[in-house]
Amino acid sequence: GDSVTQMEGPVTLSEEAFLTINCTYTATGYPSLFWYVQYPGEGLQLLLKATKADDKGSNKGFEATYRKETTSFHLEKGSVQVSDSAVYFCALSDRDFGNEKLTFGTGTRLTIIP
Amino acid sequence: DTEVTQTPKHLVMGMTNKKSLKCEQHMGHRAMYWYKQKAKKPPELMFVYSYEKLSINESVPSRFSPECPNSSLLNLHLHALQPEDSALYLCASSPTQSGYNSPLHFGNGTRLTVT
Repeated sequence: GDSVTQMEGPVTLSEEAFLTINCTYTATGYPSLFWYVQYPGEGLQLLLKATKADDKGSNKGFEATYRKETTSFHLEKGSVQVSDSAVYFCALSDRDFGNEKLTFGTGTRLTIIP
Repeated sequence: DTEVTQTPKHLVMGMTNKKSLKCEQHMGHRAMYWYKQKAKKPPELMFVYSYEKLSINESVPSRFSPECPNSSLLNLHLHALQPEDSALYLCASSPTQSGYNSPLHFGNGTRLTVT
């Protein structure tokens, strides 16, 4: 079955540091890949997505590239801010008509220190 | 501001109570979802409605009963819950169930405590 593996957290960085959160996946088909972010006390928000190999998703300074050869979708940001503190979930959705659903990774808690 | 509205924000109920969680969206989305999220865990899918018909039931116990009265509303009826059912319950919607190209919009959830 489909699965998503994320790097273990929590991750603590200083403001303006470079961020990488690793994500690898296993899927039977050709999935779309997503990063969702959950701020304290809130639901999840879509951060970015990529629907095919070599696509790069980007939003709010975050980027992730769909790498089919390494089955990865690592999240990166060049200079993090305190407001980026949240839990980040990598997810995939396989093309299973009528049975589409998101498979989430375990989440990575990110804390940015001023 | 989230475009998916969930009520109530917090709910405390006893094991013999009957209560309902409500979810509303006005984005014209035709797929709606219930997720359960325990602390420090990812959301777990419970139910999916597509065009107001139940599409996916992830083997959820019958003490949870979903209802989709129309394309904008989604309810989750609760009865005879157990303390281990305490969690954050998230509602989500998407234009269609085709998740590979149709990202989910989540509400802020209802934090449920079963005593």
